Amino acid sequence: DQQVKQNSPSLSVQEGRISILNCDYTNSMFDYFLWYKKYPAEGPTFLISISSIKDKNEDGRFTVFLNKSAKHLSLHIVPSQPGDSAVYFCAASAHQGGKLIFGQGTELSVKP
Amino acid sequence: DTEVTQTPKHLVMGMTNKKSLKCEQHMGHRAMYWYKQKAKKPPELMFVYSYEKLSINESVPSRFSPECPNSSLLNLHLHALQPEDSALYLCASSQTSGGRTDTQYFGPGTRLTVL
Repeated sequence: DQQVKQNSPSLSVQEGRISILNCDYTNSMFDYFLWYKKYPAEGPTFLISISSIKDKNEDGRFTVFLNKSAKHLSLHIVPSQPGDSAVYFCAASAHQGGKLIFGQGTELSVKP
Repeated sequence: DTEVTQTPKHLVMGMTNKKSLKCEQHMGHRAMYWYKQKAKKPPELMFVYSYEKLSINESVPSRFSPECPNSSLLNLHLHALQPEDSALYLCASSQTSGGRTDTQYFGPGTRLTVL
């Protein structure tokens, strides 16, 4: 049972345009959501998070939106840069002793 | 500073070897984690230590043995591994393991190959 889903395995965007990565979840007990960026053979790097009491959180070029009624969150990157090319994982927590549930990841490619 | 360090970066071992992976953080975090990640897959939780006590074991085979000597260090002892255990092993830490907005910070990982 996949509780966190990233339905797009890959996304290609032109440099300077907006990248939108999507994530859906099924467990209504999730109340903290995170996005991580990962390069091959490296550990995930924390990007941005959002608590369920908010619907938007912004940090520089990165904005995460949360729609609790739709159980959907998205990560917007604007403007996209070639260095943003990586795999992006969405993760969710229901405070079960630290368990993070990850989505399958979306590979973003930003072309110059 | 959100740095988690892991050694070694790469490890090749035979099925009869005994080896250990090490993880260290100096952020004052009281929760530490081991994850396993296969290529093209998300990280899978193996163990959680909270205040130096094992709080979660995700039914991991006994050939993997975690140890938390103190609040800054986490080890993973490996013995009699199988080739299918080859993966990237990731360590992470967070302030606590039950806080409302605990963010886990990951180390760079150890690439393990079992021959």
